[in-house]
Amino acid sequence: DQQVKQNSPSLSVQEGRISILNCDYTNSMFDYFLWYKKYPAEGPTFLISISSIKDKNEDGRFTVFLNKSAKHLSLHIVPSQPGDSAVYFCAAYTGNQFYFGTGTSLTVIP
Amino acid sequence: EAQVTQNPRYLITVTGKKLTVTCSQNMNHEYMSWYRQDPGLGLRQIYYSMNVEVTDKGDVPEGYKVSRKEKRNFPLILESPSPNQTSLYFCASSLGGPWAQYFGPGTRLLVL
Repeated sequence: DQQVKQNSPSLSVQEGRISILNCDYTNSMFDYFLWYKKYPAEGPTFLISISSIKDKNEDGRFTVFLNKSAKHLSLHIVPSQPGDSAVYFCAAYTGNQFYFGTGTSLTVIP
Repeated sequence: EAQVTQNPRYLITVTGKKLTVTCSQNMNHEYMSWYRQDPGLGLRQIYYSMNVEVTDKGDVPEGYKVSRKEKRNFPLILESPSPNQTSLYFCASSLGGPWAQYFGPGTRLLVL
């Protein structure tokens, strides 16, 4: 059973606007969450992470929000740029293992 | 340049013919892992290794073997591949714990 879910397979956003990618999880034992970005024909690359003891982490244009009570996290990209077009995976960590979501394909329209 | 390399990048084989996908990292990372990516299922962890001679099963270990004899290398072995192992495979490494992983470029495997 998928413990980390990304319910939106795709998202289109105008350049300069905000992109919001969502992720839900079921396992309350997850203690760290990460977002990765993946371009075609390449491996995923790390974007940003957050510990379960925090509710927000910011790095430049990227902000991750964690709502533990709702078991929900989101990645905000502001402003969105055409180079952000990629597949985004959320991942959760517990017990030396990583669990990934199914990915959301983001298209930023110039 | 810090990197994770995988070989081969593409492989077509037949059912039952043993194969090995190699993975090597040059960052002195302790943690290494293998994933498969399938449509609609995302990335799923096959095996991981906390250090030399220490390996453990991930979510989908059936049909796979790994070994970690040296810190830098973590090969994935399919002793008797089957068509349901057709997938895109990624190797990754990290310092360990929840720290971000560095991924290789992927190996696309087709089992006929």
